[in-house]
Amino acid sequence: GEDVEQSLFLSVREGDSSVINCTYTDSSSTYLYWYKQEPGAGLQLLTYIFSNMDMKQDQRLTVLLNKKDKHLSLRIADTQTGDSAIYFCAEIPMTGGGNKLTFGTGTQLKVEL
Amino acid sequence: GAGVSQSPSNKVTEKGKDVELRCDPISGHTALYWYRQRLGQGLEFLIYFQGNSAPDKSGLPSDRFSAERTGESVSTLTIQRTQQEDSAVYLCASSLGAGPEPQHFGDGTRLSIL
Repeated sequence: GEDVEQSLFLSVREGDSSVINCTYTDSSSTYLYWYKQEPGAGLQLLTYIFSNMDMKQDQRLTVLLNKKDKHLSLRIADTQTGDSAIYFCAEIPMTGGGNKLTFGTGTQLKVEL
Repeated sequence: GAGVSQSPSNKVTEKGKDVELRCDPISGHTALYWYRQRLGQGLEFLIYFQGNSAPDKSGLPSDRFSAERTGESVSTLTIQRTQQEDSAVYLCASSLGAGPEPQHFGDGTRLSIL
């Protein structure tokens, strides 16, 4: 497909793990990013992964990359209410030129008590 | 501050007026980007500045939109003769260089056209 695709909503219970999935467009994208957006705020860079890696772990966050399927996931361990936000995956497609990020539509994560 | 700073944080204006939005990038960041986020949608790229190179304007939606940047500092995004469909959050980001360096975002300007 030509769009970066994400599911729109995810609801989890506090303490559970959350997994947010993304399918990106360009198999030659060098870096793939995860951003978090809280209500009324800008985007906070959470983590990013270089395309020659399969996995990256950073505290409670684990990023998995499947280049063959152009699939990216973000796992949040021990999800807390403060993790409630919209999560965007993004790529810089090599085919488009320049360094403009192409974003998914965002996944709204709701953490319930 | 250490982050990307945008002003104003909110702007309400009447249809047909011109607006100017400002972005102060992180000190030392040579690349600067503008994106637009319409309600319930993802972000759309507008324009990209890198050092003294000609800007990449490929995302500007119409000739009512223009942007300038002075050296490697402040940028302004100008929208002339605003229309209701211009209502959105306008986000600015900066990064260290021309490569796929992580982009760091400001909190945005929420623009409402009456």
